Amino acid sequence: EVQLVESGGGLVQPGRSLKLSCAASGFTFSDYAMAWVRQAPKKGLEWVATIIYDGSSTYYRDSVKGRFTISRDNAKSTLYLQMDSLRSEDTATYYCARRGAPDYWGQGVMVTVSS
Amino acid sequence: DVVMTQTPVSLPVSLGGQASISCRSSQSLVHSNGNTYLHWYLQKPGQSPQLLIYRVSNRFSGVPDRFSGSGSGTDFTLKISRVEPEDLGDYYCLQSTHFPNTFGAGTKLELK
Repeated sequence: EVQLVESGGGLVQPGRSLKLSCAASGFTFSDYAMAWVRQAPKKGLEWVATIIYDGSSTYYRDSVKGRFTISRDNAKSTLYLQMDSLRSEDTATYYCARRGAPDYWGQGVMVTVSS
Repeated sequence: DVVMTQTPVSLPVSLGGQASISCRSSQSLVHSNGNTYLHWYLQKPGQSPQLLIYRVSNRFSGVPDRFSGSGSGTDFTLKISRVEPEDLGDYYCLQSTHFPNTFGAGTKLELK
């Protein structure tokens, strides 16, 4: 059974950093691209970033480029999202997902950016 | 970016009835490889999204055949027949033909 479990969310002040993790199991992690998708409170879904299976290529939406870094550790079957220079508009539930066009999603982790 | 326009925003249905959701894209979703990367998701209240349909008309593993997807080019439809209580929630279309991936704004399926 495919499982994706996010962690690392919380309340953070504007301009500060936070790192999300996603532990994957139930499939061969190193075979798949992985993505982060977010959902602001009471809003729709928004793709954030994708990393290909071996980590050699990454893709970001414009609003997070230069501030967020997606990475992976295939030995640990873990996906990461390093979020720097956080803004209030980054407040959202962040979902880890398998594939760039997701087929499986984690349960999500809340990130609140507020002073 | 490709804009995905979903209609209606809200769709009241009766249990056992049929529902139809439209998703229109601002440009053709036919990839240069001939495939069309249009997908449908359901987000039940308080849950993560789940994949229903991939590449226009392919039901994902475990998805009942009450769900069907169709369309081409820029115009796509998700149909739900014999609506059941577990079908209620927010439906989203997603295009992954063009970078960046973009979602529709969602359609809330609710009881009439």
